[in-house]
Amino acid sequence: DAGVTQSPTHLIKTRGQQVTLRCSPKSGHDTVSWYQQALGQGPQFIFQYYEEEERQRGNFPDRFSGHQFPNYSSELNVNALLLGDSALYLCASSFRGTGVYEQYFGPGTRLTVT
Amino acid sequence: GESVGLHLPTLSVQEGDNSIINCAYSNSASDYFIWYKQESGKGPQFIIDIRSNMDKRQGQRVTVLLNKTVKHLSLQIAATQPGDSAVYFCAEGQGQGAQKLVFGQGTRLTINP
Repeated sequence: DAGVTQSPTHLIKTRGQQVTLRCSPKSGHDTVSWYQQALGQGPQFIFQYYEEEERQRGNFPDRFSGHQFPNYSSELNVNALLLGDSALYLCASSFRGTGVYEQYFGPGTRLTVT
Repeated sequence: GESVGLHLPTLSVQEGDNSIINCAYSNSASDYFIWYKQESGKGPQFIIDIRSNMDKRQGQRVTVLLNKTVKHLSLQIAATQPGDSAVYFCAEGQGQGAQKLVFGQGTRLTINP
């Protein structure tokens, strides 16, 4: 049973460019959340997707957008990259049922903006 | 506000001793809390969670305590092993289904042989 997978593992981009990160949720999960983790900090919530719609969003600008596909996989897009966007981007998946839901994290994509 | 903080950024313990990692939260309306372990180069790994209708929950070698009166959360690790070395985060679940996790900065746990 595969856990949460993310691609690519590492990525180097230049300021102003655009980037797309990908996530496949754990088998049986239908909800995907994205987090940004700066070095030495805790992860910060970007947004969450369920039923192919953005359901919740954190304090991130519109340069950050996403998508969820019918197979529950998801993409995170960041436009007009800034140096401050350099971070580890984490995807977490969960299953929406009743009550609260455990979130399982992938290994992350390390984005470096130069 | 929406903040979850940790009392200590680093903790060093002897192998075999018990470890206690503390966390303070500010949102008294929160009803779901989680502890994650993050090893170098990996994503956070779920350890244990607790809901606000409980004050204690035990797992394998770990116990989470919740004190809602002072808005304090702690993680106890029994008989600490070298493999427990990592950064530990507490997180608070907010929003619908407590799905928006608000993390603290983390505590680095180092095990001395």
